[in-house]
Amino acid sequence: AQSVAQPEDQVNVAEGNPLTVKCTYSVSGNPYLFWYVQYPNRGLQFLLKYITGDNLVKGSYGFEAEFNKSQTSFHLKKPSALVSDSALYFCAVRGTSGTYKYIFGTGTRLKVLA
Amino acid sequence: GAVVSQHPSRVICKSGTSVKIECRSLDFQATTMFWYRQFPKKSLMLMATSNEGSKATYEQGVEKDKFLINHASLTLSTLTVTSAHPEDSSFYICSARGIKGAVTSGWGNEQFFGPGTRLTVL
Repeated sequence: AQSVAQPEDQVNVAEGNPLTVKCTYSVSGNPYLFWYVQYPNRGLQFLLKYITGDNLVKGSYGFEAEFNKSQTSFHLKKPSALVSDSALYFCAVRGTSGTYKYIFGTGTRLKVLA
Repeated sequence: GAVVSQHPSRVICKSGTSVKIECRSLDFQATTMFWYRQFPKKSLMLMATSNEGSKATYEQGVEKDKFLINHASLTLSTLTVTSAHPEDSSFYICSARGIKGAVTSGWGNEQFFGPGTRLTVL
């Protein structure tokens, strides 16, 4: 069965410090992996994706993620957190069944403290 | 880019009435649209997948007679919550995937999300 895990409900980090939001996945075949951010009462905003190629993916707003096949992880990172990064972050994997469905993680609330 | 809009952004209705939510792809042809429901502080739950011109495929546990989905054109899908009750109050988000002009490698693999619709049933 395909699944995505975000082990942390909440991550707190001080402004200016590096941040990491964790994501691990289980999928048969080559995964398509995504990160989205959601602000209160808003839809999902795309941050970045891994389809193929370089394991380090750079995305919007200074975020990046590293695809690690051996650890089946796709952690989201940013070198220096901003208070405005405080939001809900979702990791997703596109299923390989041909239906193009996304499987979402449970979300991680990031709180950046001033 | 690939822009998806939803209308309305917010709706309040009385119990027993029906509410229609529209999802439009503004600059591409959406061959597939997805409808999600999100409870407060929770993840997105896929309700159904619809392909243009076909009946929607509902996820297990989703009542197809309560949540009517129509995908009549390549740019529009609608979700109608019939005989809404307070427990249907939620944040509904649509997404779309499809083709834009000449298909570029991998473009159709991605879903593009609408801004969501907050439904409150009194």
